[in-house]
Formats: sequence, structure tokens, C-alpha cells
Amino acid sequence: GNSVTQMEGPVTLSEEAFLTINCTYTATGYPSLFWYVQYPGEGLQLLLKATKADDKGSNKGFEATYRKETTSFHLEKGSVQVSDSAVYFCALSDLAAGNKLTFGGGTRVLVKP
Amino acid sequence: SAVISQKPSRDICQRGTSLTIQCQVDSQVTMMFWYRQQPGQSLTLIATANQGSEATYESGFVIDKFPISRPNLTFSTLTVSNMSPEDSSIYLCSVSTVDEQYFGPGTRLTVT
Repeated sequence: GNSVTQMEGPVTLSEEAFLTINCTYTATGYPSLFWYVQYPGEGLQLLLKATKADDKGSNKGFEATYRKETTSFHLEKGSVQVSDSAVYFCALSDLAAGNKLTFGGGTRVLVKP
Repeated sequence: SAVISQKPSRDICQRGTSLTIQCQVDSQVTMMFWYRQQPGQSLTLIATANQGSEATYESGFVIDKFPISRPNLTFSTLTVSNMSPEDSSIYLCSVSTVDEQYFGPGTRLTVT
């Protein structure tokens, strides 16, 4: 079956630091890959996505590249802000599995001023 | 895009009782999903609810415990039956469109 593994948190950073959250996946088909973000007290929001190999998703200064050869979709941001403090979830959806989302365990990121 | 609302936003319930959560979407969608997010955990899919057919439950979830209705293309309900403290979670409704999957704000359930 499909699965997503992401680095455990919490990750604590200073403002303007570089952020990387590792995500690897296992899928039987050709999945689409997503990063969702959950800000404190808010609902789940799509941050970025990539639908095929070598695609790069980007939004709000965050980037992630779909690497089929390493089955990875690592999230990066060059200079984090306090407002980036949130829980980040890597996820995949597989058309063969009815487009159901499979989530990683989530990584809590805390950015300190 | 799709805008999803859920009712109630939160509730505190006694063990042994049942709670029905409503999910309303502002557009017609074929595929709706119900997820559970236990405290400090990731999201786990409970079931897929497509209009006109019985809900499909994931391993570990059964219809007697989590009955689902899907009367039309914009609405669904999830009932958490015979609740125990272990059911304390955030329950999220989600819909799938061509471009992405959207999530409701969630219903925070506490069972005492």
C-alpha cells in the first residue's frame, strides 16, 4: 500500500534560517504529491503540489521537487519567518486508490524571532 | 475551488452518546472524504462517501461506529456512535475536485 514518511519534529529555527523537511513516499502507482500546512488553531491548507516527476511546486517562498528516482518530495524555504510556525504534512494521492490522500505524520516547525 | 463548512465546530459529549457532524460544500462534488486527526497525530482516512453509493470504510473503521450519509452532491454527515474518550479527535470533511483536495475547518470533539 501507499505510505508517506516525513521527518519528526519539532523543528526549532531562528528567523531567516533555512528550513528543510524531508519526505519520502512509497506508492504502487504514479502519485501526485502535496504539502499541507496547519497553522495554530486553523484548518488544513494546501501549500504546494506536484503531479509528475521533476515537477517543482512552490508557494509563499516554499519549494518542493518531485524526485521519482529517490521517491522524495522534500520541502524547503530559504528564509523562514515567525509566521511560518505551523505543522507541515506531506501527502500523496494515487488515482489508482481513488484519489485518497495518504498523509505523513506531520512535522511541527517553530520559528523564534 | 470549494468552500467547506462543518457543524458543529466543537462539542463536548458524554461517553455512550452519539454525535452527528455535518459537512456542507458550496459546489457539487462527487468524492467526499472523512478524516480523523487524533491529538498530536496526523490525519487518518475514515471513509470515502460518494453520492448514490454506500460509503467505503478504511481498515479499522466500521459502519456501525461511524455511519455516514451522502444524500446529495453538496452534503454529508458523519455520526460518531457510542462514544468513548478514545474518540476525542478533530474530524475533518474533505472534497476532491479536478485540481486538488479541500478540507473543512474540522469539528473538535471531546468525549468525557
